[in-house]
Order: sequence, then C-alpha cells, then structure tokens
Amino acid sequence: GAGVSQSPRYKVAKRGQDVALRCDPISGHVSLFWYQQALGQGPEFLTYFQNEAQLDKSGLPSDRFFAERPEGSVSTLKIQRTQQEDSAVYLCASRTQGLGMNTEAFFGQGTRLTVV
Amino acid sequence: LAKTTQPISMDSYEGQEVNITCSHNNIATNDYITWYQQFPSQGPRFIIQGYKTKVTNEVASLFIPADRKSSTLSLPRVSLSDTAVYYCLVGADTGRRALTFGSGTRLQVQP
Repeated sequence: GAGVSQSPRYKVAKRGQDVALRCDPISGHVSLFWYQQALGQGPEFLTYFQNEAQLDKSGLPSDRFFAERPEGSVSTLKIQRTQQEDSAVYLCASRTQGLGMNTEAFFGQGTRLTVV
Repeated sequence: LAKTTQPISMDSYEGQEVNITCSHNNIATNDYITWYQQFPSQGPRFIIQGYKTKVTNEVASLFIPADRKSSTLSLPRVSLSDTAVYYCLVGADTGRRALTFGSGTRLQVQP
C-alpha cells in the first residue's frame, strides 16, 4: 500500500489478555517507531527500529511490552497481561533513513486498544 | 532532547491567519524544527520542516529567527478543516530524537 497500515484499528481486550498489534510500514522505509497516545495527550515514544535492529526501547513502560521487526519490514507490538492503564491509541510511523537532514515520518491511523 | 513549549490552545475564525509559536531554548546545532498536524482518530501528519530563516510550502510557512530558540508556524487563511492539534518537534536526523512530541497546540477554527 501507499501508506503505513496498522491492524486492527480497534481492539478490546479483557484485563490479563495478551494482544498483538501489527504495523506494515511503507516499503523500503528503514526506520520504524511505535508510540502510545493517551486521550488528549501527545504521542509518547515507545521504541525505535532501524531495519530489524531495535535500537531504542527506552520508552516501553514495562516488561509486559515487547516489539519486534524480524525481517526489517512488518513490526508487531505485543502487550502481555494487559492492564487498564494500557488503554490508548498505539501509533506506528516509518521514515526513510535521511542523511544530513531530517526526513518526513509517515504515521498509520493507529490501533485503539481498550482494556476492560 | 530539546524541550519545546507551545500554547495549549488557540482559537481563530475562518479566513484569518494563524501563527503558532514554539519555544526551544536549548536547540542543538544539528536539530531541525518540524511541525506535525493531527486530526482526531488519525496519526500525525507532516506539515513543514526547517533549519533556519523561512520555509514555505503549499500548506504553511515556518519562520525561524537567527538564534533558532523559537519558531512560528503560520497558517494563512484557515478554514474549518484546519481544526486540529499542531505539534512542534525539535531533533536531529538520528533515531528517536527526530520524533519527540510535546503536548501540542489545539487549534479551533470557528465559522
């Protein structure tokens, strides 16, 4: 596709359930980011990949959160034993690897996770 | 990471020019200034980026003074569809530093 695709768009999980959120970045984009956005707040950084390498995971809130990008394209964000505070929109973004200047990041529409 | 400060909200009317100023006092030499727009239920969308002086595209203008400690996003003749949250980002090209969001400015355009 032409843009960043995320699935599912909406996910309702019972507390304690595991969930997996998928991101299909733009083909050829080297960098991939995951963000968590609570209602009324700006996106908060979770983790960053350069190709298949997870270079920064300092934003992951707990060890229940895990992200992977095994072949350097599709990425999955997994949340184990979901809690109510995990309810948020999870955004994925990708961008080409710029050299000497910033390059535009393209965001997906996000996955809205509701933990009940 | 360079911290940014921008107004929480702004109101305007259709047809007016809107200027949103962002402060970034500790911007680094390699940092660029980028603005994103976000509509409800959508991911942020790139608007404009600059390093110094003035940048203009079909959507907006970005004014950056010589000291680069602030920047102003200018939206000419806004319409109702410009109602959104606008984020100012400051960072270099490498990794996560390029995309650190603050709380943004919520712009409400009235008819």
